[in-house]
Amino acid sequence: RKEVEQDPGPFNVPEGATVAFNCTYSNSASQSFFWYRQDCRKEPKLLMSVYSSGNEDGRFTAQLNRASQYISLLIRDSKLSDSATYLCVVNAGSGGSNYKLTFGKGTLLTVNP
Amino acid sequence: GAGVSQSPRYKVAKRGQDVALRCDPISGHVSLFWYQQALGQGPEFLTYFQNEAQLDKSGLPSDRFFAERPEGSVSTLKIQRTQQEDSAVYLCASSLVVSGTDTQYFGPGTRLTVL
Repeated sequence: RKEVEQDPGPFNVPEGATVAFNCTYSNSASQSFFWYRQDCRKEPKLLMSVYSSGNEDGRFTAQLNRASQYISLLIRDSKLSDSATYLCVVNAGSGGSNYKLTFGKGTLLTVNP
Repeated sequence: GAGVSQSPRYKVAKRGQDVALRCDPISGHVSLFWYQQALGQGPEFLTYFQNEAQLDKSGLPSDRFFAERPEGSVSTLKIQRTQQEDSAVYLCASSLVVSGTDTQYFGPGTRLTVL
């Protein structure tokens, strides 16, 4: 089983749609969780951290279920500028290697006019 | 302020050549990371520096890969005797402190093509 698995995509949605990305991770010791965004031929950029209580940033909502080792990202009222690849990221866990990030393969989103 | 910079942005090498990729992290950042991103994949961890000390090189795919950060700032990733499977984007990232929750800021990457 891969360490971080995401919906394979791609997702094509119209402007204004709500889209959800799902991710599962295998390392139960992981402590930190993130969603990164990567535009075509650009570097990954942190979109948001994910907390157990769930967190929201404008149109973006992230959820974490530690028991199921499941992370989600919801984008409401999608914009053309949301078109990108969304990467689910977890750290290696507690202890000395918690700096090490493991990335999913990414899910490509295209928002169409 | 200035972000992470990498050079060259693009590198074409013939199989068997040695290459050196440079990373300038954000000033004052303690932690520096190298990742390899193959086409259609997420970045994969290669190695980690805390200041000048290379604390983790578990992700380096072979002994042809070597990284250094001698003065705790600029880092170089060297690949000897390049092979076609080394073709990828090499990303450098830095973070302010040593923490699993600290944001890693990525550079634009070096796209290496081995012919």
